[in-house]
Amino acid sequence: SAVISQKPSRDICQRGTSLTIQCQVDSQVTMMFWYRQQPGQSLTLIATANQGSEATYESGFVIDKFPISRPNLTFSTLTVSNMSPEDSSIYLCSVPRASGLVYNEQFFGPGTRLTVL
Amino acid sequence: DQQVKQNSPSLSVQEGRISILNCDYTNSMFDYFLWYKKYPAEGPTFLISISSIKDKNEDGRFTVFLNKSAKHLSLHIVPSQPGDSAVYFCAASYGTASKLTFGTGTRLQVTL
Repeated sequence: SAVISQKPSRDICQRGTSLTIQCQVDSQVTMMFWYRQQPGQSLTLIATANQGSEATYESGFVIDKFPISRPNLTFSTLTVSNMSPEDSSIYLCSVPRASGLVYNEQFFGPGTRLTVL
Repeated sequence: DQQVKQNSPSLSVQEGRISILNCDYTNSMFDYFLWYKKYPAEGPTFLISISSIKDKNEDGRFTVFLNKSAKHLSLHIVPSQPGDSAVYFCAASYGTASKLTFGTGTRLQVTL
């Protein structure tokens, strides 16, 4: 299994500011995913980040709001820009168990709990 | 449009008894289903999965049943233990896509 760490683990931010969340994996992976879990809601996929290409965003999420970097095969960042209280969520990164397989479970990081005041 | 639904937000079960968590889906393209467990302040951890070519998969105390005609799956935990107390999410994917669609979760409380 992959070991995934995220920084920061939690933060409280003022509206209008931006926060960059880091995700570090202990092995090289092609795909990384970023999810959001709003209070009382399910995990919702924000985007898929592949190394060497632009991230692919899901419906309802845009690059200007959630820019993603993927500089190498073990690291990615997600920035939550111009934050509002509605962005208060847990943000999680994940990686698939093994690429190239049809069926994949994913390993998740511990999450970043963001509160926007 | 919630494609994966867990209609029970919470469930309380006595230790030693069976816990049954349910999940319904609407997208008939889904062909792989997973259950995750999540403790507070931790990321979800994979529990068990099933592909659409099967109707049952068992792993120790955990069994997942799939009823494709009803678009329904369930997770059975027997016997339930206090350490099983967590939020359980079902998730689904299809084809070669690794993208997962999650349900809203069911909080399981196993009491002594």
